[in-house]
Amino acid sequence: QKEVEQDPGPLSVPEGAIVSLNCTYSNSAFQYFMWYRQYSRKGPELLMYTYSSGNKEDGRFTAQVDKSSKYISLFIRDSQPSDSATYLCAMSGSNFGNEKLTFGTGTRLTIIP
Amino acid sequence: GAVVSQHPSRVICKSGTSVKIECRSLDFQATTMFWYRQFPKKSLMLMATSNEGSKATYEQGVEKDKFLINHASLTLSTLTVTSAHPEDSSFYICSATRGSGMNTGELFFGEGSRLTVL
Repeated sequence: QKEVEQDPGPLSVPEGAIVSLNCTYSNSAFQYFMWYRQYSRKGPELLMYTYSSGNKEDGRFTAQVDKSSKYISLFIRDSQPSDSATYLCAMSGSNFGNEKLTFGTGTRLTIIP
Repeated sequence: GAVVSQHPSRVICKSGTSVKIECRSLDFQATTMFWYRQFPKKSLMLMATSNEGSKATYEQGVEKDKFLINHASLTLSTLTVTSAHPEDSSFYICSATRGSGMNTGELFFGEGSRLTVL
């Protein structure tokens, strides 16, 4: 079993729809949860991060972490064509910054105009 | 946000040659840099963790003699693929951090370097 599971997609939704992206994990030591966006042939860029359980909102993006279920989500409201990219979840233990991140496989998202 | 620069962004080489990829943190000192490899439609695979002034820590299964990592300064780490072969063709990405713990988000990725070995 992989430490982090993420549906690779592809996922296509019409412009304006709400997008839900999810990851599950097995390592209970993970405490930092991140979502990265990666455009084709580019490096990942950090979208949002959450420490421990809870919700975090930033504009059209909402990240949720449920540590009891080992399940994290990223919601995108009012999706735009420019949101089309691959979204990777990533996780880290308490020594974030000095230890490796464990990534999901990424979900390829396409927003259809 | 902080900027991490990778060079070259694309390189094509002949089998048996060595290729060096540079990763620079442009506006901060990076105590730790990470090197990843990404296959098409696959996740980022951590190859090694590089701390300035010390030997890199390689992940299991990554050949140290094949993928030489040097982190000689706080702003520069290099990955050298020695005696490259077609199976080494991949997208290599570095990331750099300037902190730890609650400095979450202080991990910045380079643009990646696409290596094609003929």
